[in-house]
Amino acid sequence: SQTIHQWPATLVQPVGSPLSLECTVEGTSNPNLYWYRQAAGRGLQLLFYSVGIGQISSEVPQNLSASRPQDRQFILSSKKLLLSDSGFYLCAWSPTGSGNQPQHFGDGTRLSIL
Amino acid sequence: AQSVAQPEDQVNVAEGNPLTVKCTYSVSGNPYLFWYVQYPNRGLQFLLKYITGDNLVKGSYGFEAEFNKSQTSFHLKKPSALVSDSALYFCAVRDMVSTGFQKLVFGTGTRLLVSP
Repeated sequence: SQTIHQWPATLVQPVGSPLSLECTVEGTSNPNLYWYRQAAGRGLQLLFYSVGIGQISSEVPQNLSASRPQDRQFILSSKKLLLSDSGFYLCAWSPTGSGNQPQHFGDGTRLSIL
Repeated sequence: AQSVAQPEDQVNVAEGNPLTVKCTYSVSGNPYLFWYVQYPNRGLQFLLKYITGDNLVKGSYGFEAEFNKSQTSFHLKKPSALVSDSALYFCAVRDMVSTGFQKLVFGTGTRLLVSP
């Protein structure tokens, strides 16, 4: 069966520091991958998605970037964090080749910026 | 653009009573609809989906949803609520980007509180 892992679970970082959040998927090949941010325990904002290695699409201009160095690895990064980057970051995957399958989410990283 | 609306921020229900969490959609073409649940400090868990076919869709944990094309609704239901059903519920609609790839557009979420 497929599983998705995100780490770390929680992170406290000072303003201006770099960021690297990692997400990996097991048990499937060539998944579609997604990064979301959830603010204040409510709505989800899609940040990035990827349909393959090195292929990243950005949904909103921001202080963050994403990379997909391997088929089942998705990384969210920042060179210098802002206070507004605080939030709950969720990684998700869906099977490739089908538009009617659900996305499956990891357990998220809660990021606090001081 | 595809969208969903969840008109209730919170729904309160007593344990053992039936529950309904509302969702309406606005799409061009046929809607592909999903329900997810989120427990505190966890990711979203998939409950059920409607793609085509029977208007009553059954999902995980005893939940079901009724697709109503004339009312453009996809309400989540459960015949008998449990305290453990207390969580945040999201409705979502597929927004196709290209063949074989889908984005989901999520509603703002409805908090379900089941009292003992």
